[in-house]
Amino acid sequence: DTAVSQTPKYLVTQMGNDKSIKCEQNLGHDTMYWYKQDSKKFLKIMFSYNNKELIINETVPNRFSPKSPDKAHLNLHINSLELGDSAVYFCASSQDTAGRLGGELFFGEGSRLTVL
Amino acid sequence: AQKITQTQPGMFVQEKEAVTLDCTYDTSDPSYGLFWYKQPSSGEMIFLIYQGSYDQQNATEGRYSLNFQKARKSANLVISASQLGDSAMYFCAMREGLGFNKFYFGSGTKLNVKP
Repeated sequence: DTAVSQTPKYLVTQMGNDKSIKCEQNLGHDTMYWYKQDSKKFLKIMFSYNNKELIINETVPNRFSPKSPDKAHLNLHINSLELGDSAVYFCASSQDTAGRLGGELFFGEGSRLTVL
Repeated sequence: AQKITQTQPGMFVQEKEAVTLDCTYDTSDPSYGLFWYKQPSSGEMIFLIYQGSYDQQNATEGRYSLNFQKARKSANLVISASQLGDSAMYFCAMREGLGFNKFYFGSGTKLNVKP
């Protein structure tokens, strides 16, 4: 039973299209994230939600819009895709408790987006 | 300033030998956690080991140990008895502060284990 699952795993699309990646976690965690891993393997945080509330919104183009319908789901919608959006997008979750050191990130398997 | 620095972009180690992957961090918060992740060529991110800033002893998990030197702000990963399956990218990460907070990742070290 996968802890953090994201779909689709592979996405090939044309420039200008709109696409979505879905993520679900069954760990009961309060916090979910989207990370982008570029071709040099650098991991960059994009967004984070804690109990459905947007907590982190890094300098990401507003073509990227996250949505968290409940604390177990965090989806990523991308409008007007560009060549530079090609990357692996990772969803992750963690359990955070006020006043305590946060737990580790649990990652999904990644979604490889290729924009042609 | 970089929060996490991994200065070894690539490393080679002979099978069955030990290897140390370097990681230094930068924080002024007394509360923080340090993490190591492995990313094999298949792409998934695998959590390996964790060290809390208040932990007195170095963390160990099987063949993995974390050499935590607080004064030097270093958190090196030691892999003992390397195996071919250890060939992967390794990322050091930090969370600073209590409660909810960001993860900072290093740029990674690509480890190749030679037979």
